[in-house]
Amino acid sequence: QSVLTQPPSVSAAPGQKVIISCSGSSSNIGNNYVSWYQQLPGTAPKLLMYENDKRPSGIPDRFSGSKSGTSATLGITGLQTGDEADYYCGTWDSSLSPGYVFGTGTKVTVL
Amino acid sequence: EVQLLESGGGLVQPGGSLRLSCAASGFRFSDYAMRWVRQAPGKGLEYVSGISSSGDTIYTDSVKGRFTISRDTSKNMLYLQMNTLRAEDTAVYYCAKVLSPSSSGIDYWGQGTLVTVSS
Repeated sequence: QSVLTQPPSVSAAPGQKVIISCSGSSSNIGNNYVSWYQQLPGTAPKLLMYENDKRPSGIPDRFSGSKSGTSATLGITGLQTGDEADYYCGTWDSSLSPGYVFGTGTKVTVL
Repeated sequence: EVQLLESGGGLVQPGGSLRLSCAASGFRFSDYAMRWVRQAPGKGLEYVSGISSSGDTIYTDSVKGRFTISRDTSKNMLYLQMNTLRAEDTAVYYCAKVLSPSSSGIDYWGQGTLVTVSS
């Protein structure tokens, strides 16, 4: 059972914008960096965002990240059909059972 | 180019054992923490275990006492010994490289190896 909550799905038309939320607590998001991962169908996850708002090389600036308190968000502008995928947030959790935790995942659908 | 190549998955009966391997290349393996992450069919990502560059290990509660993570820096290899396997361990297992000592994100993933626990 994931400790990070994401909406199960979001959708928008091509060219539009979607925002995916990731809600946690002080033991995880509140005191640690957040990363975001994109998983295209049938493939391994790929790093999309790290340290809350940094994009790895090769990731277009249509993708943006932010963090406030115990929540984080991923934004995708200029939505493309190739963006249809599952998106997961992730961060370190410093609770009694420490470890890396992932969000529940959000399916992005391009209408 | 960073590459992570898993092997060792397959079909195993409940209660059985399996050893996963991950061959790492393209980076200084000894300098980075590594993790195993799994994904059950149709489900989300789940952290299984991690090992620091110095060999410290962490396990998710559901695999403690059953799984053992290890690394061989002389061979650039990461391992996951899985014992007393259960049906709920059925998943694709990914080998993953941690971004940096100060950042917990995962910057590279292997292609995954499927473990099926069934009689």
